[in-house]
Amino acid sequence: DADVTQTPRNRITKTGKRIMLECSQTKGHDRMYWYRQDPGLGLRLIYYSFDVKDINKGEISDGYSVSRQAQAKFSLSLESAIPNQTALYFCATSDGTQGTDTQYFGPGTRLTVL
Amino acid sequence: SQKIEQNSEALNIQEGKTATLTCNYTNYSPAYLQWYRQDPGRGPVFLLLIRENEKEKRKERLKVTFDTTLKQSLFHITASQPADSATYLCALAGGSSNTGKLIFGQGTTLQVKP
Repeated sequence: DADVTQTPRNRITKTGKRIMLECSQTKGHDRMYWYRQDPGLGLRLIYYSFDVKDINKGEISDGYSVSRQAQAKFSLSLESAIPNQTALYFCATSDGTQGTDTQYFGPGTRLTVL
Repeated sequence: SQKIEQNSEALNIQEGKTATLTCNYTNYSPAYLQWYRQDPGRGPVFLLLIRENEKEKRKERLKVTFDTTLKQSLFHITASQPADSATYLCALAGGSSNTGKLIFGQGTTLQVKP
């Protein structure tokens, strides 16, 4: 089984709808991250969490919210989706005890907002 | 602001040749530099990490160099194969201003022709 899983893998939704992307990990890592990737813009950090009680905004957090339900689960919500949130979304984890910030990514969620 | 530059143009080489990818950065003094591989529609996969006090690191057919004076890393794939075709991302970590997060370059796409 994959160490970092994301659901759903693909989602098509309409403008104004609320949507939640979920991430689970079995690596036992304390740190989790959400990124979006757009062609030509690379990976951009949306939110990150260093433990269950620690949530931080990344460079593009507007329009998004997150919830860290447990060490293994980190969810990303779009409260009212808009077309420019169409992108590939990745969850990642890292082991904060290692000090290197090496990250392990999930398979991604392709989100289309019509 | 911190900036990472990777050649946005695709690199096309013949099978068996050595591929060399470049990563340049400014306004940052990272403790680590990492390289990831990303296949289309999939999450990045960690390949190699090099520390600021290391000049070179090798893993099988991969070699990474790190020049903190030039603020540059070179990523080499020797005896390249069509299966090496992918996008390669460099990422910076550590340093006093960026604890716990990675800064990613936009990636360079490598195409190895048989």
